Amino acid sequence: QVQLEQSGVDLKKPGASMKISCKASGYRFSHYVIHWVRQAPGQSPEWMGWINGGSGFAKYAEIFQDRVTISRDTSASTVYLELRSLRSEDTAVYYCARDRGGLMMGVVVNHDIFDNWGQGTMVTVSS
Amino acid sequence: ATQLAQSPSALSASVGDSVTITCRPSEGINSALAWYQQKPGQVPRLLIYEASTLESGVPSRFSGSTSGTEFTLTVTSLQPEDFATYYCQQFHTYPITFGQGTRLEIK
Repeated sequence: QVQLEQSGVDLKKPGASMKISCKASGYRFSHYVIHWVRQAPGQSPEWMGWINGGSGFAKYAEIFQDRVTISRDTSASTVYLELRSLRSEDTAVYYCARDRGGLMMGVVVNHDIFDNWGQGTMVTVSS
Repeated sequence: ATQLAQSPSALSASVGDSVTITCRPSEGINSALAWYQQKPGQVPRLLIYEASTLESGVPSRFSGSTSGTEFTLTVTSLQPEDFATYYCQQFHTYPITFGQGTRLEIK
């Protein structure tokens, strides 16, 4: 079955950078897009961006464009989220989520619907 | 960004009741809407996509529909495990956005 295993809790100081991981298993990594979605305490989810597991192409939400990088290591079936210049408002649970699309007619199709989620990584930004 | 206004923000119901949650986008999104359920301390769970298509494994008491530009999630014959927070999400236009959530509580 599809599993997305995320790295553990992280505590960062304002101005620092974070890099968290999401290891995929149970499906062909290169056939799907993986998204990152975060959820601040008591808030609704917020989409950050996605990466194509096959091509490595990434797309970001404009509000994060300047300080986010999503990357992947196909040999490890792992996706990474790096967020720089952290501030207290970045305190949240960060989720990776697989896209519902997949490989169709030889092309990785992105539906922007999240059908499998990682368990979440709590990141706290505090001085 | 496309804003999604969910209503109500919270509601109380009893086991066996039926409830309806509404999601109104700030602009047209065709049928590019999904619904998720999230219980405290858990990850969101996809229930419905493309406004009315039930995700595999989701009980048939959950249904989604569209009326004009408004989207609804209906849960009939509420079960104890249905008490949770529900979010709508649009995937018509980037950035992907979520509604503010509807908390469904036991009366």
